[in-house]
Amino acid sequence: AQSVAQPEDQVNVAEGNPLTVKCTYSVSGNPYLFWYVQYPNRGLQFLLKYITGDNLVKGSYGFEAEFNKSQTSFHLKKPSALVSDSALYFCAVRDISGSSNTGKLIFGQGTTLQVKP
Amino acid sequence: EPEVTQTPSHQVTQMGQEVILRCVPISNHLYFYWYRQILGQKVEFLVSFYNNEISEKSEIFDDQFSVERPDGSNFTLKIRSTKLEDSAMYFCASSSRARDTQYFGPGTRLTVL
Repeated sequence: AQSVAQPEDQVNVAEGNPLTVKCTYSVSGNPYLFWYVQYPNRGLQFLLKYITGDNLVKGSYGFEAEFNKSQTSFHLKKPSALVSDSALYFCAVRDISGSSNTGKLIFGQGTTLQVKP
Repeated sequence: EPEVTQTPSHQVTQMGQEVILRCVPISNHLYFYWYRQILGQKVEFLVSFYNNEISEKSEIFDDQFSVERPDGSNFTLKIRSTKLEDSAMYFCASSSRARDTQYFGPGTRLTVL
């Protein structure tokens, strides 16, 4: 079965420092991986995705993610954090197993990013 | 930029009542989804819908739930007889193709008393 794990409930970082939000996955076959961000009282906003190609994927708001097949990871990164980046971040994998014909998303439990001034 | 909209933003209802949550997907999208997020828990898939029929549903999506696309723009989720455990944030999403990026609405917070 496809699954996603986000090992950290919360990540704290000082403004201006680099940030990493971790995600590991378990899939059969090639993974389709996504990051979404949820600001308070808002919906899920798409940040970036990995389907194929370069292992380093660039997305919105200066975020990027590195796909590592050997470590089955897809960590979200940003070189310099902003206070406004504080939010809840979700990693997701598309279910491409034979049982899913619409590619529903399977989400991790979410990681709260707190960026302090 | 086109976006998915949902109404209402917050719905409070009594246990046993019917509720209808409404969504307007992005206009040229063909695939529609409902997910829910119980407070403090993961976002969970409920159902997907394409070509006026359910494509896939989860174990959560039992006979109390139904979805409909009553016209060319709205996509609704109906819960026939709400239970306390239905209290959650419900997200609608849409995509242009089955395996394309899904774009989410802001959610409807359902509170069942």
